[in-house]
Amino acid sequence: DGGITQSPKYLFRKEGQNVTLSCEQNLNHDAMYWYRQDPGQGLRLIYYSQIVNDFQKGDIAEGYSVSREKKESFPLTVTSAQKNPTAFYLCASSTQANSPLHFGNGTRLTVT
Amino acid sequence: DAKTTQPNSMESNEEEPVHLPCNHSTISGTDYIHWYRQLPSQGPEYVIHGLTSNVNNRMASLAIAEDRKSSTLILHRATLRDAAVYYCILREGLNTGTASKLTFGTGTRLQVTL
Repeated sequence: DGGITQSPKYLFRKEGQNVTLSCEQNLNHDAMYWYRQDPGQGLRLIYYSQIVNDFQKGDIAEGYSVSREKKESFPLTVTSAQKNPTAFYLCASSTQANSPLHFGNGTRLTVT
Repeated sequence: DAKTTQPNSMESNEEEPVHLPCNHSTISGTDYIHWYRQLPSQGPEYVIHGLTSNVNNRMASLAIAEDRKSSTLILHRATLRDAAVYYCILREGLNTGTASKLTFGTGTRLQVTL
C-alpha cells in the first residue's frame, strides 16, 4: 500500500542537540510538507517542497532545516536554535495539482 | 492566506446527521475548500474538497454557499468513529507546477455520544 512513513513515532533528545526526523513516501508525489502541532492547537507549516532540490520556508521555519535530494524523502532537522522544539511533527505529500494532502502519523519529539 | 472560522466544539448523537459549519468570508475566486479530520495522536485525514458546487463522497457531503463565503460539512449518520477534530481549510488555486501550502486553524472538536 502506498503511503507516508514517519519515523520514529517517539523521539527524545537533550537540549542543545540537533535531531533529524524522517519522512518517506511511495505515492510518487512531487510536493512534500512539514507541519508542527502543539497541544490543543492547529497545524503550522514549517517547510514545503514542490519538487526535488527545491523547498520554501513556511510560517515558522526558524530553527529548522530540510533537504529534498530524492522525490521520496523530505527529512526535517530540528536544530539547537529552535527555542521550543517539543511538539508533534507531521509530514505530508500531495501531487502538484490542487489535490488533497496525505499525512503520515507523525513523530512526537520531546526535548528536555 | 485566507482564513477560516469554525466553532471550537460540537456534539452529536450517534446515528444522527451532523452539520459542521465554516466561515471563509475572505475566500478568493480560485481558493478550494478542503476538509480534513484528525484523531488523537494521528495525522489529519482528508475528508472532502470543493470549489463551487456541492460535493459528495463516501465519507461526507460538502455544501458550499452560493457566495462561497461559508460551507458546511455534512456527516449523514455520525458514528463514534467520527469523533475527531475537523479542519476547514482554504487551498490556494494553483498555477501549473505550484504546490500551495495549507493553513490549518484550530478546527472543530466533534463529540459523538450514544
